[in-house]
Amino acid sequence: GAGVSQSPSNKVTEKGKDVELRCDPISGHTALYWYRQRLGQGLEFLIYFQGNSAPDKSGLPSDRFSAERTGESVSTLTIQRTQQEDSAVYLCASSPKQDTDTQYFGPGTRLTVL
Amino acid sequence: LAKTTQPISMDSYEGQEVNITCSHNNIATNDYITWYQQFPSQGPRFIIQGYKTKVTNEVASLFIPADRKSSTLSLPRVSLSDTAVYYCLVGPLNTGFQKLVFGTGTRLLVSP
Repeated sequence: GAGVSQSPSNKVTEKGKDVELRCDPISGHTALYWYRQRLGQGLEFLIYFQGNSAPDKSGLPSDRFSAERTGESVSTLTIQRTQQEDSAVYLCASSPKQDTDTQYFGPGTRLTVL
Repeated sequence: LAKTTQPISMDSYEGQEVNITCSHNNIATNDYITWYQQFPSQGPRFIIQGYKTKVTNEVASLFIPADRKSSTLSLPRVSLSDTAVYYCLVGPLNTGFQKLVFGTGTRLLVSP
């Protein structure tokens, strides 16, 4: 079946511009996560959605970062007034309600801020 | 969430068994141990998970001693395609707001 998809796969933007990154989780998965991975580093948790509960935003690095999710479907990560240090791969993962331990990751969006 | 410590990198040759050990001294009673594999330009992929003793699947084995303060991922007879970064994670399951904290992982290089 279809896995987690993300778009765009690559995004190049200028410093100060806003960007939107999209994640389509696996159908039926209630949990959705966003991570950031800088070059050569491990994953950095950003935000977590679980069903209709309030999202866990504890990993968002600044108020320039926000994310939304409509029900149990698509999620959008928005970065406002991008900075060069925002350059990274942004990964989305989803997991089924019954098995919250295993996360299924998308291919990521590579963001480059010039 | 329990902090984990892994070697930064390991080298091996095709056909050898590779053991990657992860330390998690502050593991809590309800924490599980999970390993992920990540290839370049791809998202991490679940490999194996366990709570205690030994777990084996078609890909790897996971050894967890009685005190659970460490765990060892064992990859039998590695091939070139096993070259990847391997992440050890520790955390509870089914808590509603579970999130997994990924460290820097272990970069495994398999040579011919």
